[in-house]
Amino acid sequence: SQTIHQWPATLVQPVGSPLSLECTVEGTSNPNLYWYRQAAGRGLQLLFYSVGIGQISSEVPQNLSASRPQDRQFILSSKKLLLSDSGFYLCAWTNDRGHANTGELFFGEGSRLTVL
Amino acid sequence: AQRVTQPEKLLSVFKGAPVELKCNYSYSGSPELFWYVQYSRQRLQLLLRHISRESIKGFTADLNKGETSFHLKKPFAQEEDSAMYYCALTTSGTYKYIFGTGTRLKVLA
Repeated sequence: SQTIHQWPATLVQPVGSPLSLECTVEGTSNPNLYWYRQAAGRGLQLLFYSVGIGQISSEVPQNLSASRPQDRQFILSSKKLLLSDSGFYLCAWTNDRGHANTGELFFGEGSRLTVL
Repeated sequence: AQRVTQPEKLLSVFKGAPVELKCNYSYSGSPELFWYVQYSRQRLQLLLRHISRESIKGFTADLNKGETSFHLKKPFAQEEDSAMYYCALTTSGTYKYIFGTGTRLKVLA
């Protein structure tokens, strides 16, 4: 069966420090991968998505970047964190290929980032 | 641009009362609509999708293209329905899933 892992689960970082959140999917190949930020009152904001290795689409210009070095690995990064980067980050995957989007997004458990 | 609007941040109902969680979308083409649910201490998960026309845990949702709505309904709320509900949209030919701001449903005993 397919599983998705995110780590770390909790992270406290000072302003200006770098960030790396990792997401790995097991049990499937060539998934579409997503990073969302969940904030109270703002719902789930799509940050990045990837349909293949090295292919990254950015939805919101910001202080963050994403990379996909391997088929089932998706990394969210920042060189210098801002206070406004605090939030709950969710990774998700689907095998939907975009032609008939009846697919289901499968979410990880999330990573809570606090920037002080 | 695609957009999903959930006007209610919080909805409180008594057990046994009907529930309707509102969702409106903006998209000029043919969207695919979903409802996702997040129970306390659980992962966000799919509840139902409009294309399946299914009833899950007593919930149904009908896509109304004229009103651009996909409201989630249940005739008799149960305490275990208390959760955060998100409406989501995607479109054929893209890979993006756009979510609304969510509605927290509280079912009171």
